[in-house]
Amino acid sequence: DAGVTQSPTHLIKTRGQQVTLRCSPISGHKSVSWYQQVLGQGPQFIFQYYEKEERGRGNFPDRFSARQFPNYSSELNVNALLLGDSALYLCASSLDRGRYEQYFGPGTRLTVT
Amino acid sequence: EDQVTQSPEALRLQEGESSSLNCSYTVSGLRGLFWYRQDPGKGPEFLFTLYSAGEEKEKERLKATLTKKESFLHITAPKPEDSATYLCAATSHGQNFVFGPGTRLSVLP
Repeated sequence: DAGVTQSPTHLIKTRGQQVTLRCSPISGHKSVSWYQQVLGQGPQFIFQYYEKEERGRGNFPDRFSARQFPNYSSELNVNALLLGDSALYLCASSLDRGRYEQYFGPGTRLTVT
Repeated sequence: EDQVTQSPEALRLQEGESSSLNCSYTVSGLRGLFWYRQDPGKGPEFLFTLYSAGEEKEKERLKATLTKKESFLHITAPKPEDSATYLCAATSHGQNFVFGPGTRLSVLP
């Protein structure tokens, strides 16, 4: 079975621009979470979606938004990019139903110049 | 507020030199404690889930244990290919994971 996939792999944007990152979960997984990982730190929780509903939101500004589609894939949008948004953005999927292990994709490396 | 800390920040071992990594957590109503391995520039790779104090899990040279306040990842006779950052995470309600900063492990041949 394919693991979690993310696209694109790398992205370079300019301050003030907008970006959309995409994620496809493991087949059968209905929950998708997004994390931001700055170099040298652990991942920071941004959002979790389950069955297309937002179930949790981390301490990130409203410039960050996400959605989940009927096929359980997900998009993360970031508006008005700042230099500090440069990071590895990770998507994780989980089976839920009492099992909380999250399986991560390879990430999207976003560089804001 | 839920919090996870890890120590040491970095660890250098000789091949075959066993050691332990520590993860301390402050989480109300722990629903799971997770260990991941992360190679540079890649996503975290799932290793173990621990649900209750006293639980232990093993995989090859790795063994994870859990108490009410901390978890340990024991590495027995490590090899250079075990070099990576090891992340610990906890969740109190199965939604967002709170991650520690990680321990960077280097195993020298």
